Amino acid sequence: DGGITQSPKYLFRKEGQNVTLSCEQNLNHDAMYWYRQDPGQGLRLIYYSQIVNDFQKGDIAEGYSVSREKKESFPLTVTSAQKNPTAFYLCASSALDRDDEQFFGPGTRLTVL
Amino acid sequence: AQSVSQHNHHVILSEAASLELGCNYSYGGTVNLFWYVQYPGQHLQLLLKYFSGDPLVKGIKGFEAEFIKSKFSFNLRKPSVQWSDTAEYFCAVVTSGTYKYIFGTGTRLKVLA
Repeated sequence: DGGITQSPKYLFRKEGQNVTLSCEQNLNHDAMYWYRQDPGQGLRLIYYSQIVNDFQKGDIAEGYSVSREKKESFPLTVTSAQKNPTAFYLCASSALDRDDEQFFGPGTRLTVL
Repeated sequence: AQSVSQHNHHVILSEAASLELGCNYSYGGTVNLFWYVQYPGQHLQLLLKYFSGDPLVKGIKGFEAEFIKSKFSFNLRKPSVQWSDTAEYFCAVVTSGTYKYIFGTGTRLKVLA
């Protein structure tokens, strides 16, 4: 089955610790994205990448970092600098040849204690 | 900065009622428009999309949306809702060539049986 996997589904961390969220896709999509979903705020773009070894900041990149070493993978690190990290994080991908629909993963709910 | 507005945050309807959810965007250039749906406990999935051509687009499960360029709107409609339409609905816009999608804040629809 083609799709996007995110792991784990639930993640708990202590305040001050960095944590990395996994996102893998087997859709052969060039573009990948990370969003944060909070109640009443919709999806806000954290980072996106159009090609391996390149990525751009979204609207709320502060306190986050990403890497894109492989086409299939786009991990997100939530650093201790992120002031309010508890949220639902969604990964998505899309084909690059035109601005087509995005395909979403199941999400990771991060809770920082 | 580009923005997407969804004016209805919560909507409650009885089964068989008609639905219209508003979506307005701020950008005046060429855009592609999407409606996504998030059913309880499920991934975000595409409901319908508009790229060009007929401004009235039909999607899955009897949904349709009309693109009105002069009003910067892309409202979602369904003539008769069902209990299974209970979900959160997101409007999204991408400016052609940017690969940066902007989402609205979402509308939670509850359909009473």
